[in-house]
Formats: sequence, structure tokens, C-alpha cells
Amino acid sequence: SAVISQKPSRDICQRGTSLTIQCQVDSQVTMMFWYRQQPGQSLTLIATANQGSEATYESGFVIDKFPISRPNLTFSTLTVSNMSPEDSSIYLCSVYDSGNTIYFGEGSWLTVV
Amino acid sequence: GNSVTQMEGPVTLSEEAFLTINCTYTATGYPSLFWYVQYPGEGLQLLLKATKADDKGSNKGFEATYRKETTSFHLEKGSVQVSDSAVYFCALPSGSARQLTFGSGTQLTVLP
Repeated sequence: SAVISQKPSRDICQRGTSLTIQCQVDSQVTMMFWYRQQPGQSLTLIATANQGSEATYESGFVIDKFPISRPNLTFSTLTVSNMSPEDSSIYLCSVYDSGNTIYFGEGSWLTVV
Repeated sequence: GNSVTQMEGPVTLSEEAFLTINCTYTATGYPSLFWYVQYPGEGLQLLLKATKADDKGSNKGFEATYRKETTSFHLEKGSVQVSDSAVYFCALPSGSARQLTFGSGTQLTVLP
């Protein structure tokens, strides 16, 4: 199974600032995804991070707010830009591995004050 | 597209009670089905999965059977422990990129 590390694990940020979350996988994977989990809610897909091309965003999420990089097959970043308290969430990186299974990182717990 | 409907929570049980969390799905074809668990303050962990009809996934005493006749994947455990207290999510892949669609989650609290 893939092992996924996310940084930071937690952060408290001021509104109006931006934060970049890193996701590192211990093996090369084709598909990487970013999800958001708002307090007490289920998970919602933000985007699919494509290696070597722009991310594919879901309805309601835009690149200006959530720019994503995917420079190689083991690493991706998600930036949450111009943050507001409504962005307080857990942001989770996930990967689809060769075993037909999707694994998640521990999440980055973000609080915007 | 594919979707999943999960039993509403929260669920509170006494230790050693029997657990069932219902999950039904709507899907094109027969995708893999998953249960994930989120312990307090942690991310998501894969609990179990089933890849085809009639498969039974199992892990840590939890079981779920892929039932195409009833389009269900209910999670069961015969005797819950306090340490099973967590949020449980049913999920299935949707879209060409295999991203997951999640149920609403069920908060389980087990009392000693």
C-alpha cells in the first residue's frame, strides 16, 4: 500500500493569507487527488492533480483559489489562497495505486482566524 | 454518475453490541466498494473493500458484502469495542479518473 505524508499536519492562519500543503508519496502513482472535509461533513473532491499538466477541478473549485502543482509522480502541492474562515477544513491528499485501491494521507487540519 | 447513500447517524452502542451501518449505491457497472474509517483527530484509513459482486471484505472484525441484487454494502461487526468509536464512510469510484464519491459518514460512539 502507498504511504502518504502531508505537511503541515495542522496550522492556524490569518485571513487573507495563503498556505501551501505538500503531499509526498513513497512510490510513483499516476493519479493523485485533493479532497476537502469541512467540519462535521463528508469529503468533497477539489481536483485531480495531473502530472505534467494542469489539474482538473470539480464544480465549485477554481484554480485561482486552489492552485495545484504536480511536478512528478510522487509529489503534489495544494495552495489555499486568500483564506477566509470558511476555508477552515481538513485537506486530504489521496492516491490511486496499482492495487485498485485509494489511500489517504493523514490530512492537513487548517484553521483560519 | 455513481452515488452512495449512507445511513444517517450518529449511532451510539454499548460495548459488545452488534453494529450495522447501511450503505446503498447507484452505479454504472460493478465498481469496487470501500469503507473508510476516520478516528478522532486523524485522517482516513481504508477499513475494507470489495471488488466484485458477492465479495466479502473484512478487517478488524468488520465485514461488508457486495450485494448487487440490493445494491448494498452494509458494514457489520458482531461485537464493537470502545476503540471502534469513529466516523465511518462508504465510498465508490466515480468518473474516469477513479476519484471517490463518499457517503455522508456515520459517527459511531461505543460506550463502556
